[in-house]
Amino acid sequence: GAVVSQHPSRVICKSGTSVKIECRSLDFQATTMFWYRQFPKQSLMLMATSNEGSKATYEQGVEKDKFLINHASLTLSTLTVTSAHPEDSSFYICSARGAIRRGGSYEQYFGPGTRLTVT
Amino acid sequence: KQEVTQIPAALSVPEGENLVLNCSFTDSAIYNLQWFRQDPGKGLTSLLLIQSSQREQTSGRLNASLDKSSGRSTLYIAASQPGDSATYLCAVKDGTASKLTFGTGTRLQVTL
Repeated sequence: GAVVSQHPSRVICKSGTSVKIECRSLDFQATTMFWYRQFPKQSLMLMATSNEGSKATYEQGVEKDKFLINHASLTLSTLTVTSAHPEDSSFYICSARGAIRRGGSYEQYFGPGTRLTVT
Repeated sequence: KQEVTQIPAALSVPEGENLVLNCSFTDSAIYNLQWFRQDPGKGLTSLLLIQSSQREQTSGRLNASLDKSSGRSTLYIAASQPGDSATYLCAVKDGTASKLTFGTGTRLQVTL
């Protein structure tokens, strides 16, 4: 089946530094990628939607200058948390939408998540 | 704005029991509804996807139903096992926005 990978799976960084999270679609080309954030015991909240080669669309309340998203190719999207603060500590999950077979239906597949801890 | 609620928030049952998880959504104009499983500290595993024109989907011991007009879906788990312990999330895709709105989740624990 389709696989979406994220790297790193876990990262600890100091307050004020920036950290980059990669999301890759391994079996298919993802025309659209989504980034979600999940706080402990809460559900997933959509942060932004990105289409390959264009600027990301951010959800209300998400700072685009703080959470930089780059969707440079059909298989790779990156999320950079700039000037991280402890309140940015969360579980970040990416999702990629595409068809794993030529002519197949477009489905949304989820990555395993990245645990970010800002100290 | 679509809002998705799941009841109960947490559930503990002994092994072997059949159980039902509930999901409700406020805007019935959905494209599809999906049930996911999430293990602690992990990503999401898709369990069942129901298109708006369908009423139910089955996979093994899982059966999901959809009543779009009333804004409800249920996930039925038969003969529960300790390995079923996880958080179950439902998510609806809106017909126009094409983005998923997730529910609050139900944390299930199946005990021996």
